[in-house]
Amino acid sequence: DAKTTQPTSMDCAEGRAANLPCNHSTISGNEYVYWYRQIHSQGPQYIIHGLKNNETNEMASLIITEDRKSSTLILPHATLRDTAVYYCIVRSVNFGNEKLTFGTGTRLTIIP
Amino acid sequence: NAGVTQTPKFRILKIGQSMTLQCTQDMNHNYMYWYRQDPGMGLKLIYYSVGAGITDKGEVPNGYNVSRSTTEDFPLRLELAAPSQTSVYFCASRTAGEEAEAFFGQGTRLTVV
Repeated sequence: DAKTTQPTSMDCAEGRAANLPCNHSTISGNEYVYWYRQIHSQGPQYIIHGLKNNETNEMASLIITEDRKSSTLILPHATLRDTAVYYCIVRSVNFGNEKLTFGTGTRLTIIP
Repeated sequence: NAGVTQTPKFRILKIGQSMTLQCTQDMNHNYMYWYRQDPGMGLKLIYYSVGAGITDKGEVPNGYNVSRSTTEDFPLRLELAAPSQTSVYFCASRTAGEEAEAFFGQGTRLTVV
């Protein structure tokens, strides 16, 4: 699976949009981009995923650049409960690629 | 629907002792995973399984063993506990579907003294 690069930490004011970048310059054509988050010491929680089109669900939006070398997770109206570590993962969905590996993520702090 | 359940939540072991961390899921997921997370660090994959009777090593398998006799259960065994195994352990599962997301348990906090 392609490696990802994320900033170590970010701050965002409560009520503003939080934009979390992820670089995955070695991504291949059959690899999806997934985002998970880990609140405090809980188990990670799935947020969203995409292949090449932008995606939106009730939690967030995912913007993937046209060349697919980077993406941005957007939390449109950040709340204090969004303070967490956010992990960007690139994963092939082909048979034989069942591993799911995490990097170090971005620690997002929402400021009141 | 309980999801992924890990037991125990906390455990203190002495060096050289052994124990089994339990993980069970009730979602009929084929794939299951074990991770460890050291303080301030990301998750490291220990072992994973794509179905009953099939297991494979992840990034940091040394000092651990797993088995997968049923779809529901994926226990992680520590044979000779060492201080370096002090960590929080997470179990996860997902379906075999191409885009399926993973579901995580709440973790087991293990301290080896």
